[in-house]
Amino acid sequence: SQTIHQWPATLVQPVGSPLSLECTVEGTSNPNLYWYRQAAGRGLQLLFYSVGIGQISSEVPQNLSASRPQDRQFILSSKKLLLSDSGFYLCAWSLGQGDGYTFGSGTRLTVV
Amino acid sequence: DQQVKQNSPSLSVQEGRISILNCDYTNSMFDYFLWYKKYPAEGPTFLISISSIKDKNEDGRFTVFLNKSAKHLSLHIVPSQPGDSAVYFCAASLNNAGNMLTFGGGTRLMVKP
Repeated sequence: SQTIHQWPATLVQPVGSPLSLECTVEGTSNPNLYWYRQAAGRGLQLLFYSVGIGQISSEVPQNLSASRPQDRQFILSSKKLLLSDSGFYLCAWSLGQGDGYTFGSGTRLTVV
Repeated sequence: DQQVKQNSPSLSVQEGRISILNCDYTNSMFDYFLWYKKYPAEGPTFLISISSIKDKNEDGRFTVFLNKSAKHLSLHIVPSQPGDSAVYFCAASLNNAGNMLTFGGGTRLMVKP
């Protein structure tokens, strides 16, 4: 069966520090991968998606970047965090064939 | 421009009664709609979906209704249970856009015992 792993679960980082959140999927090949953010009291905002290795599409200009070094690995990064980067970050995958998404358990990022 | 909207940020219902969560969309090309349920500090989990060729889909206590002419869908939960308390997101996708999901802002449902 397919599983998605996302870590860490919680993270507190100072302003200006770098960020690296990792997401891996098991049990499937060539998934579509997504990074979403849920800011406090807000909905789910799509940040990045990837349909293959090295293929990244950005939905919203951000202080963030994403990379897909391997088929089932998706990384969210920042060189210098801002206070506004605080939020709940979710990784998700799909096969893009009419199915929905399967989400990871999320990372609560607090920038202080 | 928000293509999928959930105009009620919160809803409070008594246990055993019906919960109705609403969702409106603007893009008439959406052809697949989903509802997700999210508990605090967890990722959303898939609840129920409906294709644009249908107007109703039922799964146990959960029923989704789709009104294409009004560009409106709703999720009915009957009977509501305290464990249903969560944030509910509706989402829509375009088959010819790689099934990218566009989410609404969510509705927080509170079911009181």
